[in-house]
Amino acid sequence: KAGVTQTPRYLIKTRGQQVTLSCSPISGHRSVSWYQQTPGQGLQFLFEYFSETQRNKGNFPGRFSGRQFSNSRSEMNVSTLELGDSALYLCASSLAGMAGNTGELFFGEGSRLTVL
Amino acid sequence: AQKVTQAQTEISVVEKEDVTLDCVYETRDTTYYLFWYKQPPSGELVFLIRRNSFDEQNEISGRYSWNFQKSTSSFNFTITASQVVDSAVYFCALSDPHSNYGGSQGNLIFGKGTKLSVKP
Repeated sequence: KAGVTQTPRYLIKTRGQQVTLSCSPISGHRSVSWYQQTPGQGLQFLFEYFSETQRNKGNFPGRFSGRQFSNSRSEMNVSTLELGDSALYLCASSLAGMAGNTGELFFGEGSRLTVL
Repeated sequence: AQKVTQAQTEISVVEKEDVTLDCVYETRDTTYYLFWYKQPPSGELVFLIRRNSFDEQNEISGRYSWNFQKSTSSFNFTITASQVVDSAVYFCALSDPHSNYGGSQGNLIFGKGTKLSVKP
């Protein structure tokens, strides 16, 4: 069974640019969450999608947005990049809201974004 | 507000030693879940355990054991006879019940993590 796949794994952008990150959840999972991980702030929740609807959002500016498609794949976008956006962005999928849910989040290996 | 504190930033032990990772949490809610995740160098977080607030039984899984004490708001994790492969960053996390939706646990509040190095 394939795990959570995130692309790209690494990318470098400059300030002011925008970036789109992609996440393919485990087959059958309809919930996808995004987290930002930095050395200073640690792991912080960005948002969660379920069946194409955003149902939770963390405390991040509007430059951070996301969406989920009908096949549960999700993308997140960061516009007008700032140096502080350099981070590892982790995606997680789960059976949340579905039968068989154990509460476990299955994480991908992340997309490491460097903003110069 | 919900908060998770992992006071130990880094721990270094020699193989076969036992090691305990501390986790203290804060929440005003009576219903919540606690988790431990492991992050190896590859980056992905690996689920280790989930415990709900009504279940204070300790749990043992192989070399791993967890001690949940509501009276002290702690959920500590012990690795017995540590191995080099246990080297990783370990995160304790708390579910945010205000974000629950149909049983969703998508929003977790993580501690800053404890980096464990096990030397041969």
